[in-house]
Amino acid sequence: AQSVTQPDIHITVSEGASLELRCNYSYGATPYLFWYVQSPGQGLQLLLKYFSGDTLVQGIKGFEAEFKRSQSSFNLRKPSVHWSDAAEYFCAVGNNAGNMLTFGGGTRLMVNP
Amino acid sequence: EAQVTQNPRYLITVTGKKLTVTCSQNMNHEYMSWYRQDPGLGLRQIYYSMNVEVTDKGDVPEGYKVSRKEKRNFPLILESPSPNQTSLYFCASSLYNGGKKNEQFFGPGTRLTVL
Repeated sequence: AQSVTQPDIHITVSEGASLELRCNYSYGATPYLFWYVQSPGQGLQLLLKYFSGDTLVQGIKGFEAEFKRSQSSFNLRKPSVHWSDAAEYFCAVGNNAGNMLTFGGGTRLMVNP
Repeated sequence: EAQVTQNPRYLITVTGKKLTVTCSQNMNHEYMSWYRQDPGLGLRQIYYSMNVEVTDKGDVPEGYKVSRKEKRNFPLILESPSPNQTSLYFCASSLYNGGKKNEQFFGPGTRLTVL
């Protein structure tokens, strides 16, 4: 069975600081990996996705993520955080059949001015 | 505008009173899915549908039913709601073409409280 672990439940950073959100997955084959963001009271918006190819993936809002097969990780990064980035972030893994998407527990990001 | 809509957005009900949460998408997507979101657990899949009249269980299907009579609609039915079904529910849809994984588009969510 596939699974996703986001070790950090809460993270607080100062505006302008760099950010890295951790994601570890478990899946027997080449995974399809996603990062979604959920702003308060909103639905989920896709930040970026990895299916194959270049292991460094660029997304919207200045985010990027790096797929590391040896570490079963897909960490999300941003070089300089803005106050509007405060939200909850979810990592997810999809199976090859395309019918199951498994989410991590989420990381809530707070940004200090 | 391409979107997934859910109704109602908020619902407070009592134990045992049947309810339906509707989900509709206007993107002609084959795949649709329902999730529930609970604090610390992320989103867990309830049911999904690969196309009209094709549905299957996700990770937490107990207490829920679904149907897919039309491509655009995928209602979630709670025949006899219980307090442990109090949650935030999301519907999602995506293209599905022979196994290639595509981005899922999410609705705005339905916050359900069962008293």
